[in-house]
Amino acid sequence: GQQVMQIPQYQHVQEGEDFTTYCNSSTTLSNIQWYKQRPGGHPVFLIQLVKSGEVKKQKRLTFQFGEAKKNSSLHITATQTTDVGTYFCAGPGTYKYIFGTGTRLKVLA
Amino acid sequence: NAGVTQTPKFQVLKTGQSMTLQCAQDMNHNSMYWYRQDPGMGLRLIYYSASEGTTDKGEVPNGYNVSRLNKREFSLRLESAAPSQTSVYFCASMGSGTNTGELFFGEGSRLTVL
Repeated sequence: GQQVMQIPQYQHVQEGEDFTTYCNSSTTLSNIQWYKQRPGGHPVFLIQLVKSGEVKKQKRLTFQFGEAKKNSSLHITATQTTDVGTYFCAGPGTYKYIFGTGTRLKVLA
Repeated sequence: NAGVTQTPKFQVLKTGQSMTLQCAQDMNHNSMYWYRQDPGMGLRLIYYSASEGTTDKGEVPNGYNVSRLNKREFSLRLESAAPSQTSVYFCASMGSGTNTGELFFGEGSRLTVL
């Protein structure tokens, strides 16, 4: 069945360093979404990418959808302690949206 | 504007007990979902309801039943709880005709089965 994999599973960075998480699908996706979950919280929608090669920015966050629409990345420039949490990608599949396993980000002040 | 409301927030059950998790949304969304979240496993879909009156199995439906009571409410029932059902359960909703298909999540229900 369809799988959505994310790497790395964990990432610890010093405050001010950059961070990137990668999402790979076993099938071509019509779109991909990204969510952030703060520790003890619930997932919150960040963005949706639809077009091949699309790049979108939200302040220090840059989202990219691969040309083949099978992979995506989230890059955070100059991390802050407020960026702590788990970042999930999600792609449409048989059971509606299939979520990746997530990347847990810790930011060390 | 409450969004998606789940109850209870915490519950401890003994093996074999039953319980129902309640979920309600006030955004007039058609689609509602139940996910479970386990460490290192991401979010896995248990059941979903594409519209009032319909329900469908997701990735991990065994041991669960659901009811779409009306457009607002979608409940998840554990008939005979097992320790493997210890998890955090999230209800979510999605509106039809939206531009992004964004999922709105409730705050979660943390269930422990002893």
